[in-house]
Amino acid sequence: GAVVSQHPSRVICKSGTSVKIECRSLDFQATTMFWYRQFPKQSLMLMATSNEGSKATYEQGVEKDKFLINHASLTLSTLTVTSAHPEDSSFYICSAQKRTETDTQYFGPGTRLTVL
Amino acid sequence: QQQVKQSPQSLIVQKGGISIINCAYENTAFDYFPWYQQFPGKGPALLIAIRPDVSEKKEGRFTISFNKSAKQFSLHIMDSQPGDSATYFCAATSYSYNFNKFYFGSGTKLNVKP
Repeated sequence: GAVVSQHPSRVICKSGTSVKIECRSLDFQATTMFWYRQFPKQSLMLMATSNEGSKATYEQGVEKDKFLINHASLTLSTLTVTSAHPEDSSFYICSAQKRTETDTQYFGPGTRLTVL
Repeated sequence: QQQVKQSPQSLIVQKGGISIINCAYENTAFDYFPWYQQFPGKGPALLIAIRPDVSEKKEGRFTISFNKSAKQFSLHIMDSQPGDSATYFCAATSYSYNFNKFYFGSGTKLNVKP
């Protein structure tokens, strides 16, 4: 199997607060994890790529100080949205790659963030 | 520049019909082409994928056709069912080009009418 979980599935927070989203590979070791953002009825926008034990690589236009990514182990990556604002409201999805399948990404179920 | 172009944006098919979604890519370095299915409020799930060394891959009712010279690939859903109603994304990637970054198409919302 290749199961990726995300927690929480939904979160509502007040403007100015920080929110942490966890991404876990449940039955495999993930050498690389990806974080995406998806707006309604749109495609997935890659935010950053993270490898275990190293700093994340952010896509152009993504603020690294606002979207903090930590990939502390081969099964866990976290995305922290700092000082959240209403425009950060979105669907955040992570994906993970197996060490043995470097061309396939397995996606988590996503996290719906609403910033009031 | 959009690396993968997908069409149509939406598609309505009668139950039992064939759904066809098309994608075109620019970068000849791409060597892996997956299709993902996404239901509302859920993450994308890998449906089927193909490499450019074959022209067609079939898994159950789902078939990918690949035309390397035209740089196009398509998803065919045979005997479409209402449960197939979802958004479908094509993607392209290459480990040798940008270390497995996936380039996604814009998505196709499929509605299969009962």
